Amino acid sequence: DGGITQSPKYLFRKEGQNVTLSCEQNLNHDAMYWYRQDPGQGLRLIYYSQIVNDFQKGDIAEGYSVSREKKESFPLTVTSAQKNPTAFYLCASSRRSLGLDAYNEQFFGPGTRLTVL
Amino acid sequence: AQTVTQSQPEMSVQEAETVTLSCTYDTSESDYYLFWYKQPPSRQMILVIRQEAYKQQNATENRFSVNFQKAAKSFSLKISDSQLGDAAMYFCAYRSVTGTASKLTFGTGTRLQVTL
Repeated sequence: DGGITQSPKYLFRKEGQNVTLSCEQNLNHDAMYWYRQDPGQGLRLIYYSQIVNDFQKGDIAEGYSVSREKKESFPLTVTSAQKNPTAFYLCASSRRSLGLDAYNEQFFGPGTRLTVL
Repeated sequence: AQTVTQSQPEMSVQEAETVTLSCTYDTSESDYYLFWYKQPPSRQMILVIRQEAYKQQNATENRFSVNFQKAAKSFSLKISDSQLGDAAMYFCAYRSVTGTASKLTFGTGTRLQVTL
C-alpha cells in the first residue's frame, strides 16, 4: 500500500538534545512538507522541499533543520535552539505543483508527538 | 500573506442533523484553492473537499458541501445527515496557485461533536 510513514509515534527529548523525526513516502511524490500542530493554532509550515537536494523555510523554521537526500525521505531535526519543541509534528507529500493543478492533494502521515522533559 | 480564520472553536450537532462550519480568509490573489480537512481522534489528516476559486459552482462530496462566497472571502462547510464518525477537528486551508509548491495555510480548526 502506498502512503506516508512517520516514526516514532511518540518521542521524548531532554532539554539541550537534538532529535530527528523520520518521514518516508512511497507515493513517488516530488514535494514533501513538515508541519507543526499546537493546540488552538492549527498547522504551521516548518520546511518544505519540492525536489531532491532542495528545500525552503516555511513560516516557523527557526530551531529546525531538514535534509532531502532521497526522494522518499525528508527527516526533520529539532535542535536545541528550538525554544518550545513540545508539539505534534505532521509530515505530508504531494506531486510537484505546476500552476493550476487542482488535483495536487497533500497526503499526510500519522504524525509524531514530541515531548520535552 | 494569506490568513485563514475559523471563528468557531467548537460546534455540536445531533446525529442526522445538518451543521455548518464557518471559514473566512484574506488574500489579494484572484486565483487560489480552498480545502476542508478532517482530523479525527487518530490525528490523521483527511481531505474532505476542495474548491477552485475560479469555479463559481460550489463543490459537493456526498454529504459534504461548501458555500463559497468569493467576494465575501467566505468558505463554509455544510455536513448533512451528520454521523457519529463525523466527530473530529475540521480545518479550513488556503493554497496559492503561484509558485510550484503546494503550501497550505490553515485555520485554527473547529472541533465538531456529534451527539445521539
